[in-house]
Amino acid sequence: GAVVSQHPSWVICKSGTSVKIECRSLDFQATTMFWYRQFPKQSLMLMATSNEGSKATYEQGVEKDKFLINHASLTLSTLTVTSAHPEDSSFYICSARIGGTDTQYFGPGTRLTVL
Amino acid sequence: GENVEQHPSTLSVQEGDSAVIKCTYSDSASNYFPWYKQELGKGPQLIIDIRSNVGEKKDQRIAVTLNKTAKHFSLHITETQPEDSAVYFCAAKGSSGGSNYKLTFGKGTLLTVNP
Repeated sequence: GAVVSQHPSWVICKSGTSVKIECRSLDFQATTMFWYRQFPKQSLMLMATSNEGSKATYEQGVEKDKFLINHASLTLSTLTVTSAHPEDSSFYICSARIGGTDTQYFGPGTRLTVL
Repeated sequence: GENVEQHPSTLSVQEGDSAVIKCTYSDSASNYFPWYKQELGKGPQLIIDIRSNVGEKKDQRIAVTLNKTAKHFSLHITETQPEDSAVYFCAAKGSSGGSNYKLTFGKGTLLTVNP
């Protein structure tokens, strides 16, 4: 089946530093990748949509200068949380859409803790 | 935009019983409806999906039904097992060009299967 990986699975950083999270589609080409944020016991909140080779589209209220998204290839997208603060602590999950379909497969998530 | 309501928020059943989770959506143009299972600390896993041109789809113990007129769809799990315990999310994808394959998620249902 379609497999999406994320790295790292968890990260702890100091306030003010930047953190990069990678999302890879391992056995298919992902025309579109999505980044979500999830707080405990809540649903998934879409942060942005990225298409390979073009700028990401951010959802209303998401700071594009704080959450930098790069989708350099059909199998890799990265999310960089810049100048992280404790309120950025959350579970970040990516998903990848198989080209020509509506189907999205999710990665295992990255737990970010900002001290 | 699309709005998805999911009920119930929690569901507890005895092993072997059936479980039903219901979702309603607001955008009559929505045409794709996936269901995801999320275990604690993991990313959502696609378990079944249905398109708007189909009324029902079944995969072993899992089935999804769609009523386009009423704008609701349901997940049915038969012969539940303890390993079915998880949070289940429904989602809907609009067909408008600006949606860019975005999914709108329900708030989730915590299913507990008691041995």
